[in-house]
Amino acid sequence: EMQVVESGGGLVQPGGSLTLSCAASGFTFSSYWMSWVRQAPGKGLEWVANIEQDGSEIYYVDSVKGRFTISRDNAKDSLYLQMNSLRAEDTAVYYCARGQGWVDPWGQGTLVTVSS
Amino acid sequence: EVVMTQSPATLSVSPGEGATLSCRASQSISSNLAWYQQKPGQAPRLLIYDASTRTTGIPARFSGSGSGTEFTLTISSLQSEDFAVYYCQQYNNWPPVTFGQGTKVEIK
Repeated sequence: EMQVVESGGGLVQPGGSLTLSCAASGFTFSSYWMSWVRQAPGKGLEWVANIEQDGSEIYYVDSVKGRFTISRDNAKDSLYLQMNSLRAEDTAVYYCARGQGWVDPWGQGTLVTVSS
Repeated sequence: EVVMTQSPATLSVSPGEGATLSCRASQSISSNLAWYQQKPGQAPRLLIYDASTRTTGIPARFSGSGSGTEFTLTISSLQSEDFAVYYCQQYNNWPPVTFGQGTKVEIK
C-alpha cells in the first residue's frame, strides 16, 4: 500500500524554526516528484513547495520563499520541509503528498502552530 | 498565477440526488485539472485527474468533464459518504499549483 506519513509538527514561537519529515513507503520514492501542501484552520488548500526526483528542481509558493527549504533523502525514502522565520500565518496542517501536479496519496498531516 | 473559482460555495443535496460542482480557471489550463474530496478531520483524497480520469478505487458515480477554463464534477447519486468538501486544482501553469476555495456538499 502506498503511504506517506508526516511528523515534526508542534507549537513554535514567531520567528522560530521547525523541520517537518515525511516517510514514504509502498512505492519507489526516488521515481516521483514530492510536494508539501498546507491548510490553515478552517481554510482551503495551499500548495507550498515541490521537489523533483533527484532534487535538481525545486519550487516554492512566493509566501515561503527564502524562509522554507524542501529537501529529500532518496536513500531513506524521506521528504523534509525546513521552516525558518515562522509567522502566525504559517499556522496550518502540513501535508506531504506524492506527485508534482495532481498528488496522491496524501499523508494524514502534521499541525504546525505559530504562536507566542 | 492561475486563479481557480469554485461554485457554489455550499450545495445542499438530498441523498440519492445528483450534484454538479463547477470550477473555473482564470486562464486556459487545457485538461490539467484534478478534483479532491476532503472529509472533516481527514486528508484530501484524489478523485479525478486530467479533468476526467477517475483514480483507482473511485466509484463510477463520480465523473469529471471540461477543458480550457470550465470544468465540472458530477456526482450522479449522492451516498452518505459523499458529503464532504470538494476542491479543484490546476497544474497546467505552475508554479504555483493552485486550488479552488472548495465546495461543501451538505445534506439537505
